[in-house]
Amino acid sequence: ETGVTQSPTHLIKTRGQQVTLRCSSQSGHNTVSWYQQALGQGPQFIFQYYREEENGRGNFPPRFSGLQFPNYSSELNVNALELDDSALYLCASSPAPGLADYNEQFFGPGTRLTVL
Amino acid sequence: AQKVTQAQTEISVVEKEDVTLDCVYETRDTTYYLFWYKQPPSGELVFLIRRNSFDEQNEISGRYSWNFQKSTSSFNFTITASQVVDSAVYFCALSRGGGNKLTFGTGTQLKVEL
Repeated sequence: ETGVTQSPTHLIKTRGQQVTLRCSSQSGHNTVSWYQQALGQGPQFIFQYYREEENGRGNFPPRFSGLQFPNYSSELNVNALELDDSALYLCASSPAPGLADYNEQFFGPGTRLTVL
Repeated sequence: AQKVTQAQTEISVVEKEDVTLDCVYETRDTTYYLFWYKQPPSGELVFLIRRNSFDEQNEISGRYSWNFQKSTSSFNFTITASQVVDSAVYFCALSRGGGNKLTFGTGTQLKVEL
C-alpha cells in the first residue's frame, strides 16, 4: 500500500510569486484535504477535494485554490504569495465521504514553503 | 464553532517517566470524533488514535493510553515509561461526526531525555 506523497519537499519563493504544491493520495483513497501549519502552530484546514470538486473550505482567501485529478492526486495553488504564507503544507487523504473510515486521515510528509 | 486547547506547550521528562498530555475540546455537536497525532521532527503527522463521542471507554495500546471524559470535555493521552523516541510534538484534534475536517490544538512538544 502506497502512502501519501507530496512534492516538492522544500520550496523558496519571493513575495508576489505563485506556487503549486502536489499531493498523491494513499492507495484506495479518493478524498484529499490540504492543511497549512505555521511554525509552532497546529495545522489549519484549507480545503478538501472529492470527485474533482471542492468539498469544504476553511478560512483562507481565494488566492488559495486547488485541483483534483481523475487519479485522485491533487494540487494546491497559491497566488500572490505573502510572507505569512511561509508554512508547512500538509496533504491528507481519506476514503470517500459516508464511509466508516472517512474521518481517518493519513498525512503526507509535507512541503515546507518559505516566502522571502 | 469547534476548538481544541492543549495548555501544555512543552513538557520535558527523563526516560522511563510517565507523562500525560492534556487536551480539552469545545463543540456543539453531539456526534464528533477526537484524535491524537504525533509529529516527529521530520514533519509528517502520524495517526495514533480516533475516538467517537459515544465511546467513553479508555483505551490502552502498549505504552500509550487515552482517557476520554465527556463530562469535562477532555481527551488526555498518557505515555508510560517514556522513551527518547517518543520525543515529538503531539496534537489533539476534533472533527464533526460525518465530516473529516480536523480542528487541531496548538500541540505539546514532548522532550524525553536520558
